[in-house]
Amino acid sequence: GAGVSQSPSNKVTEKGKDVELRCDPISGHTALYWYRQSLGQGLEFLIYFQGNSAPDKSGLPSDRFSAERTGGSVSTLTIQRTQQEDSAVYLCASSFEPGVRNIQYFGAGTRLSVL
Amino acid sequence: SQQGEEDPQALSIQEGENATMNCSYKTSINNLQWYRQNSGRGLVHLILIRSNEREKHSGRLRVTLDTSKKSSSLLITASRAADTASYFCATDGANSKLTFGKGITLSVRP
Repeated sequence: GAGVSQSPSNKVTEKGKDVELRCDPISGHTALYWYRQSLGQGLEFLIYFQGNSAPDKSGLPSDRFSAERTGGSVSTLTIQRTQQEDSAVYLCASSFEPGVRNIQYFGAGTRLSVL
Repeated sequence: SQQGEEDPQALSIQEGENATMNCSYKTSINNLQWYRQNSGRGLVHLILIRSNEREKHSGRLRVTLDTSKKSSSLLITASRAADTASYFCATDGANSKLTFGKGITLSVRP
């Protein structure tokens, strides 16, 4: 159907609270990616899912960050005990052919502000 | 670490002029992609060039790839105000992962 959907679009939270960010990929896309983008910066890779498995979690900054994907579809990125340095835009992307052309389709992102 | 690095970091041109943006990378690649990001939005795929290709066109976009120099360029011809955005190159890597550069901010003045 439509493109990659992320929710919420904006999230303001207090330091120390947990947050959950949701990504709904394009139907039929087997690969799903999470990135973080700080103001004026490029994209920092966080984690990659192929189906429900995460072959590459190398980008998760600390053990406060975790992600899961269920049913080969929706993914949730959870940040526990948020810190101010977690403030950024979190982007999700999905891909139909990750091992071939790997063209990624992005959601509009979740802007996270930790006060 | 950053694989693709774009230059210049910022570019300002007049509508109708051409814009050329460059990307350099460090390791061997299978393909290289360019993406555009409008302010407050996600990235949109523009064009993909394979490692065995030297040049590719799509509308007003022309991409070149020089694997011996590990560099690529994106040319936007006859620019429009609507082309104002950030442009990123991305290279493929292990585990189907793309590595993005920091991006180039293009401003097209009407």
